[in-house]
Parts: sequence; structure tokens; C-alpha cells
Amino acid sequence: QSVLTQPPSVSEAPRQRVTISCSGSSSNIGNNAVNWYQQLPGKAPKLLIYYDDLLPSGVSDRFSGSKSGTSASLAISGLQSEDEADYYCAAWDDSLNVWVFGGGTKLTVL
Amino acid sequence: EVQLVESGGGLVQPGRSLRLSCAASGFTFDDYAMHWVRQAPGKGLEWVSGISWNSGSIGYADSVKGRFTISRDNAKNSLYLQMNSLRAEDTALYYCAKGLAAAGTNDAFDIWGQGTMVTVSS
Repeated sequence: QSVLTQPPSVSEAPRQRVTISCSGSSSNIGNNAVNWYQQLPGKAPKLLIYYDDLLPSGVSDRFSGSKSGTSASLAISGLQSEDEADYYCAAWDDSLNVWVFGGGTKLTVL
Repeated sequence: EVQLVESGGGLVQPGRSLRLSCAASGFTFDDYAMHWVRQAPGKGLEWVSGISWNSGSIGYADSVKGRFTISRDNAKNSLYLQMNSLRAEDTALYYCAKGLAAAGTNDAFDIWGQGTMVTVSS
């Protein structure tokens, strides 16, 4: 059971918008920055969003992040087939003194 | 080109040891914290260990504490993970990842290697 809770899967049609939620607690999301990672099939993870809502250089602005209280969300607009991947949220946990990841969400573009 | 290349994985019997290495290039290695993250087959990501730029701050997941040791050699632009008393549940793809920051918990993993597979089995 992951400390951060994500839906196991989401699906949406091309060109639509999808959001992926990440629920935590006051010791992680509530007090620390959230980062999002994209893992394409068979590939290493890639940083997608950092410090809640910042985009690394080279990441499409179709991706956006937000946070409210102890929950965070990743939004992907204008869905494309190449967005099919596993998405993970992560944050530092002040109580456990470790980095914690969500269980991952598999995105299917219908 | 910024790059991380892991090595040292393989098949090992339970209870034995293995040492992973991560060679960094394309950035100033001793400016950043470094981490190991693993992924068991078909499973999600699990942070294993992290080390600050000067080795002054080190952390471990509870699942590996007391068995694994992280270290770095800034002169060689290299990160290491010494894994002792290996268990079947340590079987995973081990990724080396660069931190955005030099130290601290306000960080993110912005560069990842391709991983090295560790299989613990008799």
C-alpha cells in the first residue's frame, strides 16, 4: 500500500483533457512539494512536474500540476497517443523521513 | 549530454552482496544530491537511498536500512550502492537519479539512468 494514493488507471479520448489525482497527508503533500514523473513503456522515468507546478525545460505545456492541502493533481490537455504511460507522484515525507511515491496511474488514450 | 549510466547488476543468491555503480557525465556532479530508486518487476517506484552533494546527509528506506550503503566519489563522478544480505524482495531494476538540489528535502529527481537489473534468487 503506497503512502500516496493514485487511481490505478485513467482513460480518455485523443484531444481531450484528463486529470490524475494524488492524495497524501500533512506529513508529505501537505508540507512538501509534489513532483510528477512519466514512465513510458520500457523506459526510465522522466521528471514531468516539479515543486507542485513547475515544468522542466523541454516538457510540453500540455502538462500542468496543482496542489491543494494534502492532494495534488496532474492535468494533461490535448491528449495524444504518445502520452500513454504510467504517471507517478512523489513527495518527501517528514514523518517517515523518506521519499514516497504514489502507486502509479496507467493512462490509456482511447 | 547529461547522462547517468548504471552498472553492477546481475543474478545473486540470497544473503550475498552486490555493488552497484552509477557513472555521471555532462554536469557538475558534486553540485547535486544523488539517489537510488528501484522498481520491482511490474510494480511501482520505490526510493531506496539518497546522498547529499558532500556525503554529509544520507538517508535510506526502512526496507534496506542496515543492509545497503550509499556512497559517492566526486573525484570520479560516481555514485555507488553496496547491497549486503540480499533478499528475494530486493529483486528490481535499480535506477540512479540526480537531484535538482545539492541537499535537503525540497528536491526532485530530474535525470535518470536506464537502470541495472538485480535478481536475487537461488
